Amino acid sequence: AQKITQTQPGMFVQEKEAVTLDCTYDTSDPSYGLFWYKQPSSGEMIFLIYQGSYDQQNATEGRYSLNFQKARKSANLVISASQLGDSAMYFCAMGSIIQGAQKLVFGQGTRLTINP
Amino acid sequence: KAGVTQTPRYLIKTRGQQVTLSCSPISGHRSVSWYQQTPGQGLQFLFEYFSETQRNKGNFPGRFSGRQFSNSRSEMNVSTLELGDSALYLCASSYPVDTQYFGPGTRLTVL
Repeated sequence: AQKITQTQPGMFVQEKEAVTLDCTYDTSDPSYGLFWYKQPSSGEMIFLIYQGSYDQQNATEGRYSLNFQKARKSANLVISASQLGDSAMYFCAMGSIIQGAQKLVFGQGTRLTINP
Repeated sequence: KAGVTQTPRYLIKTRGQQVTLSCSPISGHRSVSWYQQTPGQGLQFLFEYFSETQRNKGNFPGRFSGRQFSNSRSEMNVSTLELGDSALYLCASSYPVDTQYFGPGTRLTVL
């Protein structure tokens, strides 16, 4: 069974600081993907970044980067130069392709608050 | 490209009723997945459809069902609603095995 653990229920960060959101995972699947989504108070899940289990380099998307440490089974999200608009819930998720199908397993989320 | 759309955005039902939620995927996407989000259980996978076939199903009772049409639009149905079915229902689309993009969700309240 797959499991995602996010140990930080909430984080408070000053604007313009960098922030790291923790995510550890557990799976026996040889091939999987790790995702981060942002959920503002409106409810929509916004895709941020993806890392494949066989990718050699850490993924980056603008101010977002994923610190992937396969041996430690961790996939932390780093947001550089945080902005007020970054305040939201952040979810780490794992996707595994089983028999052509796909489903995401989510962590419990981290509520990030950016203070001015 | 238009994003994933879900209708309705809000619903209020009473126990025992049934409800149908609709999801239109991003143009060209053929896989549609459904998730339930509650404060207690978090985000849980309901089922996934691809080319009108259910490929994967989560651990939910049979009251939860879905289908997909030839244009990839999907509906999910919940029969005999219970108070615990109150949740945000999120639909996501992908092509066909790839990053999932989510819609705004349908917030269901069961009274």
